This record gives sequence, C-alpha cells and structure tokens, in this order.
Amino acid sequence: DSGVTQTPKHLITATGQRVTLRCSPRSGDLSVYWYQQSLDQGLQFLIQYYNGEERAKGNILERFSAQQFPDLHSELNLSSLELGDSALYFCASSLRTGVEETQYFGPGTRLLVL
Amino acid sequence: AQSVAQPEDQVNVAEGNPLTVKCTYSVSGNPYLFWYVQYPNRGLQFLLKYITGDNLVKGSYGFEAEFNKSQTSFHLKKPSALVSDSALYFCAVRDFTSGTYKYIFGTGTRLKVLA
Repeated sequence: DSGVTQTPKHLITATGQRVTLRCSPRSGDLSVYWYQQSLDQGLQFLIQYYNGEERAKGNILERFSAQQFPDLHSELNLSSLELGDSALYFCASSLRTGVEETQYFGPGTRLLVL
Repeated sequence: AQSVAQPEDQVNVAEGNPLTVKCTYSVSGNPYLFWYVQYPNRGLQFLLKYITGDNLVKGSYGFEAEFNKSQTSFHLKKPSALVSDSALYFCAVRDFTSGTYKYIFGTGTRLKVLA
C-alpha cells in the first residue's frame, strides 16, 4: 500500500458527461501528479500540483482540469467526455519536486465512457 | 528529450530461473532512472531507482538493476524468478520540462513466470 488513495475505483458514464476523480496524497507529501494510462498511449503525464499551485502541464486536454486544495488532496475534472477518454487515471505523490524524488502511485480510477 | 525503450513486450521465464527485463535510455545530461511494477488492477509500485553511485542498484522484492552508461541500459534483474513476479514492468526516466521533473515511461514489459 503506497499511502495514496483514489476514489472512485471505477466510473462508468456516458459521452458528453463530466466526472471528478479524487486523490489523497501520502501524509506529508506536497506534490501531486496525474497520469493517464490507455492502451494506445501508454502512461502519460497530465498535470502536477505542488502545495496548492499548478506546477506543470503535460499532455492534458483543455476539457480536463485539476486543482489541489488546502488539505493537499487533489481533484481531476474531466468534462465533455469522449469514448477515447476511457482509461485508467493514476494519481501519484511525492514529498517535493526534486529530480531524485520517488513518486508513489495510487491504485487508480478506471473510467469507462459509453 | 529524454526517452526510454523497452524492446520486449513480453518475457517468459521458468520459475527459479534468472530473469532480465530490458530497458535502454536516451537522455541529455545525467540519467535518473526508475523501475515500477504494476500488478493486475493495482497501481504502480516503486521497485528501485538509479540517481548516482554504484551501477548495481538493489530494490524491493529481490530485484536489482544494472546501470550501464556505455550501453545506455538499465536492465532489471532477479536471480530466481517467482510465479508471483508475473506482472507488467515499467522503466521510467525523469525529464525536466515545463518547470518540473516528470516521468517518461517506457511502453511496459509483461513478465510471465511459468511454474
């Protein structure tokens, strides 16, 4: 158990809908990362927050957004969902943002868009 | 840009035999390399990392990895495979872009240990 929690575990929704994925980092970790794992794209970095502020963006669509709250939990919002958004979404956390810092991953949220 | 390659989609090995999962990297500057394992319906679990120092890195569950600068490789190894090692293995490199260090993951190698 990495100490990173994600809810819900599974989510089934329809095209055009909006969903929110939630992540609680390990106790004491300030940095949260979001990744998408799909069959055709592999594991891709989406966005990072550090101590409540957006730190970096990766391959995140404009329909997607995230935030990190004062208690350091983070939410990833996916809107106007398309079939291709079906994937496993992981959250990871680390203490800070240094190059040698290990990121610890949550169990993921499996999203199915029908 | 940094990248890693995992040339094998799947590796099969008999239980008790040594295993190797291959990873090669391409980086500008010093490489910071990681191995993760993903069991079915689970998140990624950290195995080990190379930052600097000894070329042989020891990690969790009896795994180790050998950093080879001349061959730009970071192969994952275990002396004696267990059936429970069957999983998806990812090699990753840290990439500093857009103001942060993020992971660039390989495509993954599925390890199947046969009883």
